[in-house]
Amino acid sequence: EVQLVESGGGLVQPGGSLRLSCAASGFTFSNYWMNWVRQAPGKGLEWVANIKQDGSEKYYVDSVKGRFTISRDNAKNSLYLQMNSLRAEDTAVYYCARSDYQVLPHCDYWGQGALVTVSS
Amino acid sequence: DIQMTQSPSSLSASVGDRVTITCRASQSINIYSNWYQQKPGKAPKLLIYAASILQSGVPSRFSGSGSGTDFTLTISNLQPEDFATYYCQQSYSTPFRFGQGTNLEIK
Repeated sequence: EVQLVESGGGLVQPGGSLRLSCAASGFTFSNYWMNWVRQAPGKGLEWVANIKQDGSEKYYVDSVKGRFTISRDNAKNSLYLQMNSLRAEDTAVYYCARSDYQVLPHCDYWGQGALVTVSS
Repeated sequence: DIQMTQSPSSLSASVGDRVTITCRASQSINIYSNWYQQKPGKAPKLLIYAASILQSGVPSRFSGSGSGTDFTLTISNLQPEDFATYYCQQSYSTPFRFGQGTNLEIK
């Protein structure tokens, strides 16, 4: 059974940093692109970033470029999101999601989400 | 960036109804569109990918169509468990933006 479990969320002050982790199991992690998607309270979904199977390609939404870094450790079956210079508008539930590219890209499995709250 | 404009933003319907949600891309995305369902407090669930391919395990009352810039999600014979929020997404080029969502409510 495919499982994605996020951790590392919490309360952080504006300007602070936080690192989210996503532990993957039930599939060959190194075979898949992975994504982070976030959802601010009461708002819609926002795609944040993705990373290629070997980590050689990474893409970000403009609003987080230069502040967030996506990475992965295939030996540990883990995905990460390092978030620096956090702002109030980064407050959201952050989901990790697996991308299946066999037909066209789509997120077929999602974690339960980790809440990040940026507030003083 | 490619924007996805979804309509309507909310919709009221009854059990047994047929409803259609539309999504328009700001430029042609071929068939690189996906649809997700989300219930309160839960992660999104993939329904349709590549515009019209039903994800494994999703009931056949869900269907998707379209290509280029215009896409639709149709739900036939609405069931009580279908009342949720629905999102389209383009996966043609990053950032893989979502539409703003459609909240499907019970009439």
